[in-house]
Order: sequence, then C-alpha cells, then structure tokens
Amino acid sequence: QKEVEQNSGPLSVPEGAIASLNCTYSDRGSQSFFWYRQYSGKSPELIMFIYSNGDKEDGRFTAQLNKASQYVSLLIRDSQPSDSATYLCAVVGGGYNKLIFGAGTRLAVHP
Amino acid sequence: GAVVSQHPSWVICKSGTSVKIECRSLDFQATTMFWYRQFPKQSLMLMATSNEGSKATYEQGVEKDKFLINHASLTLSTLTVTSAHPEDSSFYICSASRTGGGYTFGSGTRLTVV
Repeated sequence: QKEVEQNSGPLSVPEGAIASLNCTYSDRGSQSFFWYRQYSGKSPELIMFIYSNGDKEDGRFTAQLNKASQYVSLLIRDSQPSDSATYLCAVVGGGYNKLIFGAGTRLAVHP
Repeated sequence: GAVVSQHPSWVICKSGTSVKIECRSLDFQATTMFWYRQFPKQSLMLMATSNEGSKATYEQGVEKDKFLINHASLTLSTLTVTSAHPEDSSFYICSASRTGGGYTFGSGTRLTVV
C-alpha cells in the first residue's frame, strides 16, 4: 500500500465550478498535511496546510481533514483555467519529518 | 519569505561524468534538506534526507555512492550525481525545512544525460 494515494485524474471541471481533490494516507500517526500545486516543469507551490480535523479555508481553497478516516481533501471554488495544474497531497511522516508526496491529481479547468 | 536558491536550473552532461547541484537557503537556516527526484508525469520521490554536519539518510533503492549528498552548513546542501547515465535524467528538487516548521522548495534542476 502506498503511503499517500491520490487519483491521478485528469479531473476536468468547467470554469466557475468547484473542483474536489482527494487524498488518503496510510500512517495513522501523521499529523501534518499539505497541498501543493505544480505546473509542468516547475517546482511545487504551497497552497495550504492543515493540522487539525475539520475545514480550513483560504480564499478560494478549503482543505478538509478527517484523521479517523485518514483522508484529506482540497476544494477549489470558482475554478479558473489558471488553476489547471497537478495538485500534490503531501504528508509528514517518518523520521526527520519527511514530506511524502502522493502521485498527484491533474486538474483541467476548461472555459 | 524563506527562499531556497537551487542551481543550476538545467544541465546537460555526457554519460559517465558527474554533476553537482547546489541548494542554498538565503534567509534562514535549513536544519534539514530533502532531495527529491521527479520523472515525467510522476510525483516527487524522496531520495534522501540530510541534516547539517551528519551523513545523509537515503531512501530504499537509492544508491548512496551514486548520489552523494553534502550538507556542510546550515545554508548549503549539494547533491552530486556521479557517473551519470541517461536513466539518471530527471528533475531534481531540494526542499529545506526550518525550525518551527514549513518546507521551502528550490526551483529544481533539469538534468539531461546524453
């Protein structure tokens, strides 16, 4: 079983819609969870992080964490074509607080 | 904000030669540096973790004698790909963690071995 799992997509949504990205993780002891966006050929950009169960909102983005279900999600409201990218879920685990990435979900927002 | 400068951004080398990639934390002390490799259409795979002044810890399947990591100071870590071969062609990215949490990524190095 992979440590961090994501649906590779592509997830295609129309402009203005809500995009929902999901991630599950295997280490029940994980405490910190991150969402990154990566454009082709570029380094990941942090969107947001979440530590506590529940929702965390930042602008058009909402992260949701459910530690009991080992599930973390990212909602993007009012999706824009510029949001088209690969979204990476990352979980801190193991020694040295390693950041372990999922395979990423490709999001395509079409006009 | 915290910045990690990674150089070079791209490099082409001949098979059998070595390539060094540098990552510098410009405005903070990087207690730990992580090195990742990313093949096309795949995710970031952690190669190794290094702490300043100590030997790097490599992930399973990563050859420590081929990928030499040096973390001599709190602001500089280097990855040297020794005797590079075409299968080492990839996107290499460093990430620094700092006291208090947070991870800052370098801009990445595109390595092409011909």
